[in-house]
Amino acid sequence: RKEVEQDPGPFNVPEGATVAFNCTYSNSASQSFFWYRQDCRKEPKLLMSVYSSGNEDGRFTAQLNRASQYISLLIRDSKLSDSATYLCVAPDNTDKLIFGTGTRLQVFP
Amino acid sequence: DTEVTQTPKHLVMGMTNKKSLKCEQHMGHRAMYWYKQKAKKPPELMFVYSYEKLSINESVPSRFSPECPNSSLLNLHLHALQPEDSALYLCASSQDAGWPSGAQHFGDGTRLSIL
Repeated sequence: RKEVEQDPGPFNVPEGATVAFNCTYSNSASQSFFWYRQDCRKEPKLLMSVYSSGNEDGRFTAQLNRASQYISLLIRDSKLSDSATYLCVAPDNTDKLIFGTGTRLQVFP
Repeated sequence: DTEVTQTPKHLVMGMTNKKSLKCEQHMGHRAMYWYKQKAKKPPELMFVYSYEKLSINESVPSRFSPECPNSSLLNLHLHALQPEDSALYLCASSQDAGWPSGAQHFGDGTRLSIL
């Protein structure tokens, strides 16, 4: 099992739609998780940190399910500007952050 | 605007050249990182510095040599690189490298091309 696994997509959704991505992780002792967004040929930018059951920031909600070892990212009312690759990140058992391969989102008009 | 600054933004070098990538942060972070990212792949960790000491080297070839002159600066010295080393090199920093892991903040990267 990969340490951090994501569906690569692409997810093609219309503006205004709600879209959710899941990410599974293998280290059951992980305490902190992150979602980054990365635009083409740009650096990853921190979108959300998840330290407990979840976190919400405007249209974005991240939820953590420790029993099943997955985190999700929900985007409501999608905008064209949300089109990007979303990277799920979790620490391994040596405390290094491991990046998933990313999920590509394309929002169309 | 990113709070982690990397220079240069782009670098083209021959396989016999020596060059350096620079990274600077003024957030008071005590951990700094170098990552390599190839197209359509996630960032791959290369080095971690914690309190100005090298704490992780992910078996990176010796043609990459990191240096941390002080808590705000991180360099990556390059020598005799190969074409497959062409990639986006990202610097990141975090509050510290301890447990639990804190969020890392990335610079906008140096796009390196080896001729």
